Amino acid sequence: DSGVTQTPKHLITATGQRVTLRCSPRSGDLSVYWYQQSLDQGLQFLIQYYNGEERAKGNILERFSAQQFPDLHSELNLSSLELGDSALYFCASSVGIWGAVKGDTQYFGPGTRLTVL
Amino acid sequence: KNQVEQSPQSLIILEGKNCTLQCNYTVSPFSNLRWYKQDTGRGPVSLTIMTFSENTKSNGRYTATLDADTKQSSLHITASQLSDSASYICVVSAETGGYNKLIFGAGTRLAVHP
Repeated sequence: DSGVTQTPKHLITATGQRVTLRCSPRSGDLSVYWYQQSLDQGLQFLIQYYNGEERAKGNILERFSAQQFPDLHSELNLSSLELGDSALYFCASSVGIWGAVKGDTQYFGPGTRLTVL
Repeated sequence: KNQVEQSPQSLIILEGKNCTLQCNYTVSPFSNLRWYKQDTGRGPVSLTIMTFSENTKSNGRYTATLDADTKQSSLHITASQLSDSASYICVVSAETGGYNKLIFGAGTRLAVHP
C-alpha cells in the first residue's frame, strides 16, 4: 500500500458526460501528479500540483482540468468524454516541490479505471 | 525531441534466469533517471533512481546502470522470480523553463515462466 488513495476504483459513463476523479496523497506529501494509461500504452503525464499550485503540465487535453485543494487532495475533472478517454488514471504524490526531477520518490495510487461507452 | 525508448518491448524468461532491460534516452537537460515496476492494473512502484553522477544503483535483485555519455541505462534482474512478471518503465526527468518534465518510456513487459 503506497498510502495514496484514489476514488472511485471503477467508473463507467457515456460519451459527452463529465466525471471527477479524486486523489488523496500520502501524509506529508505536497506534490500530486496525474497520469493517464490507455490499454497497453505507456503512462502519459497530465499535470502536477504542488501545495495547491500548478507546477508542471504534460499532455493534458483542454477538456480536462485539475485542482489541488487546501487539504492537499486533488481532483481531475474530465468533460465531454469520448470513447478514447477510456483508460486507467493514476495519481501519484511526492514530498518535494520539484517532485521526481529533484529525486524524491513518487508514490502511485491504485488508479481509477474509466470506461466510456 | 525528448524521447525515451525501451527494449525489448516484451521478454519471456524462465524462473531463476537473469535478464537485462535497456533504456535509451534523448532528454535534455537531463536531471535523473528512474526505473519503475508496474504490475498489471496497478500503479507503478519505484525501483531505483540515478542522477547524472551515479552510474549504478541496486535494489535487491535489481541493479540499474547509467551511462550519461551514451545516454543509456539498463536494468538487470538477477535470479528472476515469478513475481518479477510485470512491466518495467524507464522514466527520465528534465528541467526546462522552471518546470518539471517527465518523459516515460513505453515499458518492457517481462514474463517469468516456471
